[in-house]
Amino acid sequence: DVKVTQSSRYLVKRTGEKVFLECVQDMDHENMFWYRQDPGLGLRLIYFSYDVKMKEKGDIPEGYSVSREKKERFSLILESASTNQTSMYLCASSRRGLGSGPLSTDTQYFGPGTRLTVL
Amino acid sequence: KQEVTQIPAALSVPEGENLVLNCSFTDSAIYNLQWFRQDPGKGLTSLLLIQSSQREQTSGRLNASLDKSSGRSTLYIAASQPGDSATYLCAVKGRGSTLGRLYFGRGTQLTVWP
Repeated sequence: DVKVTQSSRYLVKRTGEKVFLECVQDMDHENMFWYRQDPGLGLRLIYFSYDVKMKEKGDIPEGYSVSREKKERFSLILESASTNQTSMYLCASSRRGLGSGPLSTDTQYFGPGTRLTVL
Repeated sequence: KQEVTQIPAALSVPEGENLVLNCSFTDSAIYNLQWFRQDPGKGLTSLLLIQSSQREQTSGRLNASLDKSSGRSTLYIAASQPGDSATYLCAVKGRGSTLGRLYFGRGTQLTVWP
């Protein structure tokens, strides 16, 4: 059974702290994604990675950075947490393979999410 | 940039009703469209994936249709049950999208009461 795990379900941090959110997948997927989800705004893509050490900015990368040193692990880093980064953070992964073609059957598999509160 | 809209934002129905959730997208050049389910405080689970060449997909009581030319998809849920209560999200993978990224709608929050 496919599995995407996130290091914490709930996290409380203080303004200015450096925060690490970890995501691990066991499906040997090439692509990994970080989203944040806020009421009324839906899912917004922060960063994604299509290979080890590769990263691409999503729609809202400001205030975040990422690290992908191993294929199975994708980390989201809040360099200096702020209250407006209080949110639900969701990690996902998918195959590359046929994923970019018209016959793509890939789907994104999501982790359970991390509810981050910044005080 | 692809924009995905879901209507209605929320829906409350009695158990047993057949219902339709709507999704529209602005750029019809897509590879596929997916419907996801999200339970409160949880991650997303894929329900159905429709390729751009297909018109519909079925899984149990769920049926999703796709009209690519008009930029619309519907998710039909037959004989709704309280266990169907969740948020349903629609997502498209556009031909211009980079390496597998999806564009999501904001979801329809469904409540089915006994």
